Amino acid sequence: AQSVTQLDSHVSVSEGTPVLLRCNYSSSYSPSLFWYVQHPNKGLQLLLKYTSAATLVKGINGFEAEFKKSETSFHLTKPSAHMSDAAEYFCAVSANTGGFKTIFGAGTRLFVKA
Amino acid sequence: DSGVTQTPKHLITATGQRVTLRCSPRSGDLSVYWYQQSLDQGLQFLIQYYNGEERAKGNILERFSAQQFPDLHSELNLSSLELGDSALYFCASSAVLGAETQYFGPGTRLLVL
Repeated sequence: AQSVTQLDSHVSVSEGTPVLLRCNYSSSYSPSLFWYVQHPNKGLQLLLKYTSAATLVKGINGFEAEFKKSETSFHLTKPSAHMSDAAEYFCAVSANTGGFKTIFGAGTRLFVKA
Repeated sequence: DSGVTQTPKHLITATGQRVTLRCSPRSGDLSVYWYQQSLDQGLQFLIQYYNGEERAKGNILERFSAQQFPDLHSELNLSSLELGDSALYFCASSAVLGAETQYFGPGTRLLVL
């Protein structure tokens, strides 16, 4: 079975300060992990993905995430938040369980204060 | 723009009715996924098709069904609608079957009154 837990439903940061969005996963298989962003009234857009290559993954818009197998975590970070980063972020896990099902976390809403 | 199109953008209907949501995947993508997003349930995987065949099933109700046509577009049929079916329905596509990046459409917002 697979599951994803996003540890914070809301995160608030000031513009120019670091962003940390936390994600823990559970999978009985070798998982692929994803972070997606959803701006209001839009579909989801892929930020980055991990598929068993380098454990530090760089994505778009300055985001990166580190896969830590020992901690079953895949936290998303960004050194300096911009106002345009305000959105909902989803962590997701996918694995071949006899068919690839992608399980999404509940989402973390990021607020960026001026 | 992801290249995935969904129609209609908005749909308002009454309980007990039936609706069809349509999705056109990105050019060349063979796999189509349907998701339901609601405030109480979050983003839920419903079903996946690959090159016309059903390949994975998630939390899809028996009142819901889907298919993928030879031209690779997909339709999600929702019948005997209930108030609780009000949600945003997303379609996503990917190039192949597997843990590939999924490209999401803009969604169809369904309101059941």
